[in-house]
Amino acid sequence: DIQMTQSPSSLSASVGDRVTITCRASQSITRYLNWYQQKPGKAPKLLIYAASSLQSGVPSRFSGSGSGTDFSLTINSLQPEDFGTYYCQQTYTSRAFGPGTKVDIK
Amino acid sequence: QVQLVQSGAEVKKPGASVRVSCKASGYTFTNYDINWVRQATGQGLEWMGWMNPNSANTGYAQKFQGRVSMTRDTSINTAYMELSSLGSEDTAVYFCARGEFGMETSFDIWGQGTMVTVSS
Repeated sequence: DIQMTQSPSSLSASVGDRVTITCRASQSITRYLNWYQQKPGKAPKLLIYAASSLQSGVPSRFSGSGSGTDFSLTINSLQPEDFGTYYCQQTYTSRAFGPGTKVDIK
Repeated sequence: QVQLVQSGAEVKKPGASVRVSCKASGYTFTNYDINWVRQATGQGLEWMGWMNPNSANTGYAQKFQGRVSMTRDTSINTAYMELSSLGSEDTAVYFCARGEFGMETSFDIWGQGTMVTVSS
């Protein structure tokens, strides 16, 4: 099985900060990597698919990059509504999710 | 609008089974997979498996093989997930999510979640 890790597990940042979350796969998954945002009590929301494609309706301050085993999600100019937990997901083999990164607003 | 609407909360005893439904509307049901994802309180997302509503083909995460069954009724655009031999560790919110066929998939539409509580 491909193992997914995310770092950091949590972070606290100020409005306007640039935030980067990384996701690493235990073996190459080419670009079969998605990113989701989840807020408490809600279903996850798709942000980025195929490593770097922005889902329709998602603000352009969100961007994704990477290929192979190393990926990142960047939030440019963090906004108050961006709090929540962010998950990566590989679809190269199964559809497994990473452990998540919790983002708090300072 | 495109949406997935799930059935209501369930309380089950250990050893029992639970069936959760997921009704699709606003799109052609047979053109997308339905995936099931669960989340225990305070924990991360756990993918359980997928079902192709067109072919009824399924693919289950190894952890759930032998204990989960994903089916559908195309006449009412509804997918079902049944989990058997429930234990307390199965207490979680269960989500259905739409995904495109194949590896290049992502889950763009989600149901609202169904709370399943396993308690004696």
